[in-house]
Amino acid sequence: EVQLVESGGGLVQPGGSLRLSCAASGFTFKSYWMHWVRQAPGKGLVWVARINNDESTVNYVDSVKGRFTISRDNAKNTLYLQMNSLRAEDTAVYYCARESGTYPIPDVLDIWGQGTAVTISS
Amino acid sequence: DIQMTQSPSSLSASVGDRVTITCRASQSISNYLNWYQQKPGRAPKLLIYAASSLHSGVPSRFSGSGSGTDFTLTISSLQPEDFATYYCQQTYSSPPKTFGQGTKLEIK
Repeated sequence: EVQLVESGGGLVQPGGSLRLSCAASGFTFKSYWMHWVRQAPGKGLVWVARINNDESTVNYVDSVKGRFTISRDNAKNTLYLQMNSLRAEDTAVYYCARESGTYPIPDVLDIWGQGTAVTISS
Repeated sequence: DIQMTQSPSSLSASVGDRVTITCRASQSISNYLNWYQQKPGRAPKLLIYAASSLHSGVPSRFSGSGSGTDFTLTISSLQPEDFATYYCQQTYSSPPKTFGQGTKLEIK
């Protein structure tokens, strides 16, 4: 079964750090671009970051640039999001998602994890 | 950044109704438009990619159309399991890959 399972969320004080993980199974992880998308409580989806197969291309939404780092370990089939200098507005459920790679346009997210909740509060 | 605007923000409809949701881009995005469905407490699911292509396993009552700046998602005959929030997303521009604000489809 193709699956993504996030972990690492929790309650952190403003200015703190957290590392999210996303374990992939059921597909050849190293062949796919991967993304993070977040959703603040009661709000819509916000694209956060993406990474290509070999980490040579990474992109971020402006609001997290310089604070978040997306990375991956293809040997461990795992995607990461290192989050530093956390702010209250980073409070959200964070989803990892697989980019299809077979569709005729880029960035089609065909497999999503169940999400991990991050709360930034003192 | 390209802005995506969905309308309406919420919609009440009955089982069996035909429903249309609109998504408008702030500039032309060709057909680089995807639709996702999200139910409360669940992860989003891909419905439509490239504006009009149905993702594998998605019922044929869902369809998408449009190109350029104006797009629609149509559900031909609403089923109980279709009550959810729907999001469009553009993937035309360099990042960010912006989503619309969502359309919540509720039971009348």
